Amino acid sequence: AQRVTQPEKLLSVFKGAPVELKCNYSYSGSPELFWYVQYSRQRLQLLLRHISRESIKGFTADLNKGETSFHLKKPFAQEEDSAMYYCALSGPILQGGSEKLVFGKGTKLTVNP
Amino acid sequence: DAGVTQSPTHLIKTRGQHVTLRCSPISGHKSVSWYQQVLGQGPQFIFQYYEKEERGRGNFPDRFSARQFPNYSSELNVNALLLGDSALYLCASSFGPRNEQFFGPGTRLTVL
Repeated sequence: AQRVTQPEKLLSVFKGAPVELKCNYSYSGSPELFWYVQYSRQRLQLLLRHISRESIKGFTADLNKGETSFHLKKPFAQEEDSAMYYCALSGPILQGGSEKLVFGKGTKLTVNP
Repeated sequence: DAGVTQSPTHLIKTRGQHVTLRCSPISGHKSVSWYQQVLGQGPQFIFQYYEKEERGRGNFPDRFSARQFPNYSSELNVNALLLGDSALYLCASSFGPRNEQFFGPGTRLTVL
């Protein structure tokens, strides 16, 4: 079964501190992993995807197939990083091909001044 | 471009009623996906449509149905509403079924 687990519902850090949001997945195959972010009163938006291997807004995430993890990291958190973060997995190709997304329950990050 | 738009923004229904939610994709996008987000949970996949054909269906009962129109807009229909259908319904559009999905603001459905 495909499953995405985000063990922390809430995470609170101080500005300038490192932050790591954990994500573990269960998938039989080669998954595509994503991090989505939702800032207050804004819509859900893609932050980064593992195939692009980019750093977005200082965030990085490395796919660890051995540990089935895709943790999101940032060395120095900023107050504007406060948001809801969702880890997601691209499921199997359905009839004709689709990018069904399987989401975790999300982690609410608060960066305190 | 205003991005993906959804209507209405909020809706209150009673058990047993029927509801229709609407989604307009970003111009040029031909794929629309629907997700249900219950409070405290992540979005859960309901349907994906591409070029007016259903490309995927999540684990939802037959009370849930959808369609995509020639202009690529989409409707999600839910019959015989249950209290448990109360949720935020998200629509996402993309160029194709395997491209990045852009989400709308959602429709908040409350079933009393």
